[in-house]
Amino acid sequence: SQQGEEDPQALSIQEGENATMNCSYKTSINNLQWYRQNSGRGLVHLILIRSNEREKHSGRLRVTLDTSKKSSSLLITASRAADTASYFCATDERGAQKLVFGQGTRLTINP
Amino acid sequence: DAGVTQSPTHLIKTRGQQVTLRCSPKSGHDTVSWYQQALGQGPQFIFQYYEEEERQRGNFPDRFSGHQFPNYSSELNVNALLLGDSALYLCASSLEGIRQPQHFGDGTRLSIL
Repeated sequence: SQQGEEDPQALSIQEGENATMNCSYKTSINNLQWYRQNSGRGLVHLILIRSNEREKHSGRLRVTLDTSKKSSSLLITASRAADTASYFCATDERGAQKLVFGQGTRLTINP
Repeated sequence: DAGVTQSPTHLIKTRGQQVTLRCSPKSGHDTVSWYQQALGQGPQFIFQYYEEEERQRGNFPDRFSGHQFPNYSSELNVNALLLGDSALYLCASSLEGIRQPQHFGDGTRLSIL
């Protein structure tokens, strides 16, 4: 079963615009991670945010976490064509040694 | 420094056959996790190996089994293949479990005819 639910399922924007993806989950977590996957390739880790953190930045990426609402968002600023990929959130559930992935957001950046 | 490597990259089998997929973790990593990713879906956790033992298992039948060797490399075995087993199988490695970022290989694309 998949805990994380990403929204929207697909997003198409113009190069230079900002892209926001949201993730909701159901149980208590230790941390939440965001990954990127280019077509036909493996996943690449982007950022990890712990349950006691509210916001984290890495380059053009900004992640927020609201544990009271069990939700997270990933913001990509000043998007580039190379950002075209699928983005997944993954939760590290308390008491379990496994990551649970959502179904992902397919992001397309149009030149 | 080599990342996670998986072999083979592609595989075609028929129903009822058995398959073995292989994974070499990133240098220095001791934990290997396997995931199944159907087309258009997110990865589904199969199981995790640490210190040559299965530490956690997802909702997969006993047809799915694995092994971790002393050098931390791992194998995923699937018996009695079904059409529904067609998917991308991903291996991820990390140091000491899933609290750290996972490093993924590019996967094995398994097609069942």
